[in-house]
Amino acid sequence: GENVEQHPSTLSVQEGDSAVIKCTYSDSASNYFPWYKQELGKRPQLIIDIRSNVGEKKDQRIAVTLNKTAKHFSLHITETQPEDSAVYFCAAGPNTNAGKSTFGDGTTLTVKP
Amino acid sequence: DAGVIQSPRHEVTEMGQEVTLRCKPISGHNSLFWYRQTMMRGLELLIYFNNNVPIDDSGMPEDRFSAKMPNASFSTLKIQPSEPRDSAVYFCASRGRGTQYFGPGTRLLVL
Repeated sequence: GENVEQHPSTLSVQEGDSAVIKCTYSDSASNYFPWYKQELGKRPQLIIDIRSNVGEKKDQRIAVTLNKTAKHFSLHITETQPEDSAVYFCAAGPNTNAGKSTFGDGTTLTVKP
Repeated sequence: DAGVIQSPRHEVTEMGQEVTLRCKPISGHNSLFWYRQTMMRGLELLIYFNNNVPIDDSGMPEDRFSAKMPNASFSTLKIQPSEPRDSAVYFCASRGRGTQYFGPGTRLLVL
């Protein structure tokens, strides 16, 4: 089955700096890579996703890059703000209604004001 | 759409009691997932259904846990008998077009 590894497990940055979280996956059949943000006491929520037909996707201050050859993808947050502080999960899986996404263990991001 | 609906939102029970968690997925979604989240073990997939059929229950911790999906709009996760180590937040999620949407979770405390 799919195995997803996520690094780092914790990340602390100063407000305004950039944050990068990296994930690797094992199953070359995976072609859908979402990122979730979970604030304290709340549910994981999708913030951005990428499908294997593109290498990069951007939405305001967040971007995701995908390298299918190397089987890794990354989340980039620029101009970080204190409200970006949360746990971030990456996931990998099929781009269909069936099947499941395998989640990484999460990265706790702290943005210091 | 109201999103994934879970009930109850909070449950406090005593060890040995039966606990039933409920989930209503987003209409039109084909897959439904039950997760458990704790500080120690993180986010764990317990079981998932495709078109109401259980596909992978390898994450179910033991026979005390059971899950059903009698129709496309309803699922239950039952713990019988409950134990203190079952205390956690239980999330239900449904999947459409590859994306999983999580419910608000049920916070379970077993005393």
